Amino acid sequence: AQKVTQAQTEISVVEKEDVTLDCVYETRDTTYYLFWYKQPPSGELVFLIRRNSFDEQNEISGRYSWNFQKSTSSFNFTITASQVVDSAVYFCALSEALSGNTPLVFGKGTRLSVIA
Amino acid sequence: GAGVSQTPSNKVTEKGKYVELRCDPISGHTALYWYRQSLGQGPEFLIYFQGTGAADDSGLPNDRFFAVRPEGSVSTLKIQRTERGDSAVYLCASSPRRQRGGLYTDTQYFGPGTRLTVL
Repeated sequence: AQKVTQAQTEISVVEKEDVTLDCVYETRDTTYYLFWYKQPPSGELVFLIRRNSFDEQNEISGRYSWNFQKSTSSFNFTITASQVVDSAVYFCALSEALSGNTPLVFGKGTRLSVIA
Repeated sequence: GAGVSQTPSNKVTEKGKYVELRCDPISGHTALYWYRQSLGQGPEFLIYFQGTGAADDSGLPNDRFFAVRPEGSVSTLKIQRTERGDSAVYLCASSPRRQRGGLYTDTQYFGPGTRLTVL
């Protein structure tokens, strides 16, 4: 069975600090996708990134970066120089890739509060 | 372009009543998913449509829950004899269902959700 664990329930940082959100996953599939979504107070899930299991190259997008390590089954998300607008709940999710049926399995989320 | 839309945004009902929640996916997206998100939890899968047919309904909690997508676009999630435990935010997502080299590269795009409160 697939499982995603986000051990950090809540994190609070001061603006401009860097923050890393942890994600650990479990799957028996050899091919799968990992995702991060942001859920601001408005409630809508906003897609941030998708990574397939064959590509362990880290990715950077502006202030966001992702560290995928297959050896430790982790897909961590770092926000550099955090801003108040980054305050939200962040979800890590996993889906299998080959069956044609790819519902997402989500972690419980990490609530990030960035204080001015 | 327009994103996934869901109506109503809020629904308050009494225990035992019947409710319908509507999802309008992104135009051209063939796959549609329903999820349920309880307070403080991540979304949990309910049902998945590919076109008009339910490809996987394994997440539906019981037979009071049913969903349809008759024309392969708009979907309706139906809940009969609602219970207080059904209170949650119901999220809909759609994806384009592109296939590349044998790998399915779905990215699911979510709507704003319907907050259902059963009194």
